[in-house]
Amino acid sequence: GQSLEQPSEVTAVEGAIVQINCTYQTSGFYGLSWYQQHDGGAPTFLSYNALDGLEETGRFSSFLSRSDSYGYLLLQELQMKDSASYFCAVDGAGNNRKLIWGLGTSLAVNP
Amino acid sequence: NAGVTQTPKFQVLKTGQSMTLQCAQDMNHNSMYWYRQDPGMGLRLIYYSASEGTTDKGEVPNGYNVSRLNKREFSLRLESAAPSQTSVYFCASSEFGETQYFGPGTRLLVL
Repeated sequence: GQSLEQPSEVTAVEGAIVQINCTYQTSGFYGLSWYQQHDGGAPTFLSYNALDGLEETGRFSSFLSRSDSYGYLLLQELQMKDSASYFCAVDGAGNNRKLIWGLGTSLAVNP
Repeated sequence: NAGVTQTPKFQVLKTGQSMTLQCAQDMNHNSMYWYRQDPGMGLRLIYYSASEGTTDKGEVPNGYNVSRLNKREFSLRLESAAPSQTSVYFCASSEFGETQYFGPGTRLLVL
């Protein structure tokens, strides 16, 4: 089957750097996505890695290593507004591009 | 552009009642999805539609039906609501699968 694992909770302080890991077991996929969801809100797209390596978008970066079945989301210069849940997801090959979702990581940024 | 819209925002039902959740997107996307989100369970796919005229079951389809009315609209119907269907329901759309755009959600309580 296909599954993704990520830590359930992470805590950090303002201004710090935090890395949220995502390990997966899947037979093949197009790429790894990351979504952010604030309490009471809808998930919003953050980044997508189709290829191995690092993708940078402002304070957020995402990394993928297919050989290690591993990816991560790196958040720099943390702000209070970054307190949210972060989900990794893979879009599996040959399944009409459905996303397979992790259970999410709740990030708490403290002053 | 409104993006993805969902109605209603909130709904309370009694066990056995029926209702339809409406979703529309104005981004001309081919694929549309219905998810439910419960605490600690992440996002679970109920049904999806890869293109107009097609629908397929997701991870948790029991108790639900869908209609892809046209390219813009994708509705979710609960024929006989049960307390286990108390959840937050999200509709999403995408063009290429890796980036999904979510509606604001419908919060459903079944008594």
